[in-house]
Amino acid sequence: GQQVMQIPQYQHVQEGEDFTTYCNSSTTLSNIQWYKQRPGGHPVFLIQLVKSGEVKKQKRLTFQFGEAKKNSSLHITATQTTDVGTYFCAGTQGNMLTFGGGTRLMVKP
Amino acid sequence: DAGITQSPRHKVTETGTPVTLRCHQTENHRYMYWYRQDPGHGLRLIHYSYGVKDTDKGEVSDGYSVSRSKTEDFLLTLESATSSQTSVYFCAISALRTGLSGNTIYFGEGSWLTVV
Repeated sequence: GQQVMQIPQYQHVQEGEDFTTYCNSSTTLSNIQWYKQRPGGHPVFLIQLVKSGEVKKQKRLTFQFGEAKKNSSLHITATQTTDVGTYFCAGTQGNMLTFGGGTRLMVKP
Repeated sequence: DAGITQSPRHKVTETGTPVTLRCHQTENHRYMYWYRQDPGHGLRLIHYSYGVKDTDKGEVSDGYSVSRSKTEDFLLTLESATSSQTSVYFCAISALRTGLSGNTIYFGEGSWLTVV
């Protein structure tokens, strides 16, 4: 079945440093979605990427979808303490949305 | 926040007992999902529904059943709870099938289930 791998599992950064999480699928995806989950909270939808090579930005967050539609990345520029949480990618193939294991981001003030 | 209510929010139950978790939505969305979240596994789909009385299995459906008799309610039942079913359960809803461009999926706040 479809597998979605996400690295790293954990990341500690100093406030102001950049952060990147990577997502890789074993199969070609229809699209990819990104979610953020604050500690103790529920996942919140951030964005969906559909086109090969697509790049989207939300303020300090940059999302990329690979040319082969099998990988994606989320980059945060100049992290802030409000960025703390776990970031999940989720890939769609057919009717199934498969989540990666998540990257937990911790930011030291 | 989307109008999704999960109940109960926290439950401790004994091995072998039946447990039902309820998801209620006020958005009139067609699609509803149950996920479980465990450390290191992200979110895994248990079952989903694409309409009243229309349900299908996800990747970890063994030991779980679901029912949807009304658009707004999606029930998840553990017929005989086991310790491996200790987890956080999230209900989610979407207006469109996952994978369609522009689709947004909303998650409920979660139900913490402990099976002892």
